[in-house]
Amino acid sequence: DQQVKQNSPSLSVQEGRISILNCDYTNSMFDYFLWYKKYPAEGPTFLISISSIKDKNEDGRFTVFLNKSAKHLSLHIVPSQPGDSAVYFCAASPDKLIFGTGTRLQVFP
Amino acid sequence: NAGVMQNPRHLVRRRGQEARLRCSPMKGHSHVYWYRQLPEEGLKFMVYLQKENIIDESGMPKERFSAEFPKEGPSILRIQQVVRGDSAAYFCASSPGEGTGGRAQYFGPGTRLLVL
Repeated sequence: DQQVKQNSPSLSVQEGRISILNCDYTNSMFDYFLWYKKYPAEGPTFLISISSIKDKNEDGRFTVFLNKSAKHLSLHIVPSQPGDSAVYFCAASPDKLIFGTGTRLQVFP
Repeated sequence: NAGVMQNPRHLVRRRGQEARLRCSPMKGHSHVYWYRQLPEEGLKFMVYLQKENIIDESGMPKERFSAEFPKEGPSILRIQQVVRGDSAAYFCASSPGEGTGGRAQYFGPGTRLLVL
């Protein structure tokens, strides 16, 4: 039973354009959401988070949007850079983190 | 300010042996979490600990796996009598647990366990 879903296993974006990564969840009790970036053979790196009392949080090139009624969140990266190429995981937190299966982002020149 | 430390980074064991994985949380963090990533899968929660207490072990296999976070020293994830299916990357994360941003978890580099 996958409570956090990332339906796009991969995404390819041109450098300078916007990358939009999507995530859906099923449990309306989740009240805190996070995005992580992961390179091969490394641990996940925390990017940005959002509390359910907000609908948007911005940090530099990264913005996370939360639509509670749709149980959907998205991560926008603008402008995308080749160094952003990695696997991105969304996670929901009731304390422990419940991860999605990840989206592999490739940013090409 | 050192991040989350894990050792060893790679561990090879034969079936039936024991594996001990260590995690030192970030300075000032009192909450430790262990996650496992099986090949071609996402990260799955195993156990959540605070100093000397197991808070949530709902993700731990019922047998052979145990975890501790003593008053002094690192958190230890112990796997007894390892089997090939235990081969995975094991990640530790820590969080301050309180205050602004207290719920964000910061991950170590992981221990890659290979069972032959």
